[in-house]
Amino acid sequence: NAGVMQNPRHLVRRRGQEARLRCSPMKGHSHVYWYRQLPEEGLKFMVYLQKENIIDESGMPKERFSAEFPKEGPSILRIQQVVRGDSAAYFCASSPPVSPVGELFFGEGSRLTVL
Amino acid sequence: AQTVTQSQPEMSVQEAETVTLSCTYDTSESDYYLFWYKQPPSRQMILVIRQEAYKQQNATENRFSVNFQKAAKSFSLKISDSQLGDAAMYFCAHGDRSGGSNYKLTFGKGTLLTVNP
Repeated sequence: NAGVMQNPRHLVRRRGQEARLRCSPMKGHSHVYWYRQLPEEGLKFMVYLQKENIIDESGMPKERFSAEFPKEGPSILRIQQVVRGDSAAYFCASSPPVSPVGELFFGEGSRLTVL
Repeated sequence: AQTVTQSQPEMSVQEAETVTLSCTYDTSESDYYLFWYKQPPSRQMILVIRQEAYKQQNATENRFSVNFQKAAKSFSLKISDSQLGDAAMYFCAHGDRSGGSNYKLTFGKGTLLTVNP
């Protein structure tokens, strides 16, 4: 049973470009979460999605960031017009519809570097 | 807002010895969970152990155990008989049980554990 798959593992963008990060949840998991880890910081919640629905985006920056989890295909975190401050590791996690609190299954993360 | 503090950026331990990682937290909630996650060099985070705040008994998972002091808001992780494979970044995390947002974990900055052979 494959774990949470994220790609790309590493992404380099220049300021002003767009970054797209993909996440395929574990089989049987319909809930996806995105967290961001800035340098020297702990992970911070960004957004929680179910298929075709954004449930909670309270941790998403108000501008330039968006997320989706379509009926078919992976969840995508999209960052438009990237700035240096967006450089971070972006982690996706998934869980089944019913799971113990906090039992999130994390991917290996996507490290974004903005030049 | 919840905060989680890990005061030890780095720790080291000799193989087969015991090490304790510290964590303190702050919350106004009474019903919550605490977690220790491990992030090995491959970078996939793994849940190590979970403690429910309403349980007085400290959680234990094989060589991993916690010392949960609710009044002091302290939640330390003890690793016994340390193995080379325990080398990783360890994150302490807090999650509210109430309010329907129990997926929104608050993480500390992490403690990098080195295991010396």
